[in-house]
Amino acid sequence: EAQVTQNPRYLITVTGKKLTVTCSQNMNHEYMSWYRQDPGLGLRQIYYSMNVEVTDKGDVPEGYKVSRKEKRNFPLILESPSPNQTSLYFCASALRGEVHEKLFFGSGTQLSVL
Amino acid sequence: KNEVEQSPQNLTAQEGEFITINCSYSVGISALHWLQQHPGGGIVSLFMLSSGKKKHGRLIATINIQEKHSSLHITASHPRDSAVYICAPRSYNTDKLIFGTGTRLQVFP
Repeated sequence: EAQVTQNPRYLITVTGKKLTVTCSQNMNHEYMSWYRQDPGLGLRQIYYSMNVEVTDKGDVPEGYKVSRKEKRNFPLILESPSPNQTSLYFCASALRGEVHEKLFFGSGTQLSVL
Repeated sequence: KNEVEQSPQNLTAQEGEFITINCSYSVGISALHWLQQHPGGGIVSLFMLSSGKKKHGRLIATINIQEKHSSLHITASHPRDSAVYICAPRSYNTDKLIFGTGTRLQVFP
């Protein structure tokens, strides 16, 4: 089954404790991206990757890191989380350039930073 | 002013009604996505448009590039259509997705 797998689903942590949210897709998509969703602000793009070893900043990259060493994986790293990073996070992938291009989203990670 | 404006913000309908959700944007775009987010939080991609019109079941999406406007129509609405619908144009210059804040639709039996 074509899917984007995101883990964990829920995460509670404390300020400053490094964490990684994993994202994996099984569709051989070149494009992957991370978003955060906050009430009243909607979805905002954090980072995206057009291919292996190619990553670019989105609109809100501060405080986040990503890596794309393999096509299927695109982890989101918070080196020193802060309470303002409490949010709902989504990973997505897509086969860009297709007439019927479609974004596939992971099920989301609800992160709370205390 | 937001780069993407959706209207209405909230919409209530009776089962069977025809629904229209509008999206206006101010930047040049290469494509536009319509997304659906159910109360559980999962996001599903409905359409990607770069011109014209697409139809899938009871859903129809149109885009007018010159007028910088897109619409999502739901024919014969059903309570299972209750969700937040999000418009997301892709900027031609930056290649980034810009998201609207969504339209919350509730369809009652």
